[in-house]
Amino acid sequence: EAGVAQSPRYKIIEKRQSVAFWCNPISGHATLYWYQQILGQGPKLLIQFQNNGVVDDSQLPKDRFSAERLKGVDSTLKIQPAKLEDSAVYLCASSLDGTAYNEQFFGPGTRLTVL
Amino acid sequence: AQSVTQLGSHVSVSEGALVLLRCNYSSSVPPYLFWYVQYPNQGLQLLLKYTTGATLVKGINGFEAEFKKSETSFHLTKPSAHMSDAAEYFCAVSPYNDYKLSFGAGTTVTVRA
Repeated sequence: EAGVAQSPRYKIIEKRQSVAFWCNPISGHATLYWYQQILGQGPKLLIQFQNNGVVDDSQLPKDRFSAERLKGVDSTLKIQPAKLEDSAVYLCASSLDGTAYNEQFFGPGTRLTVL
Repeated sequence: AQSVTQLGSHVSVSEGALVLLRCNYSSSVPPYLFWYVQYPNQGLQLLLKYTTGATLVKGINGFEAEFKKSETSFHLTKPSAHMSDAAEYFCAVSPYNDYKLSFGAGTTVTVRA
């Protein structure tokens, strides 16, 4: 089966600019996650969707970050405006139903550099 | 609340030697525990997980881990390292009743020929 797809793979922007990342989960997976992985740290959950509804966005900096999952399939994560500390790899993951009995599958990530 | 501490940010082993990666966790409820591997420029891949039952868990690529509740540990081992094991390894914990992963900072493994 095809894995989780993400684009772009790399993005370089200047601070205060806007950027958007796209994720296409594995077909049939109801749960979608966005993680932020800062260099030298483990991934941190930003937001979790169940179908097209938000389950948890408690760690999402809502003053600058937004995410949507239209029609319960693809998802977009946006940063506006970007800050230097947003430089990180943004990972998308999906799972069948969001339970621990079904694995989270991760995409390759988008590496964002904010100058 | 859950948290994970991985002891040692870098581990270097000789090919054929034992690989031991240490993970300690804290959790306010019974935990589920995971090990993930990340190869350069790739996403994370699940190596193994502990949910319930047998405390010695076997995973892919010859790795195994043992859940020790009394020590709040979930150390990862592989008896004989291979060059292809060079990667970054992450330990993660989630509450048993809410599948939200909290990751450690990761351990980078290098394998010497």
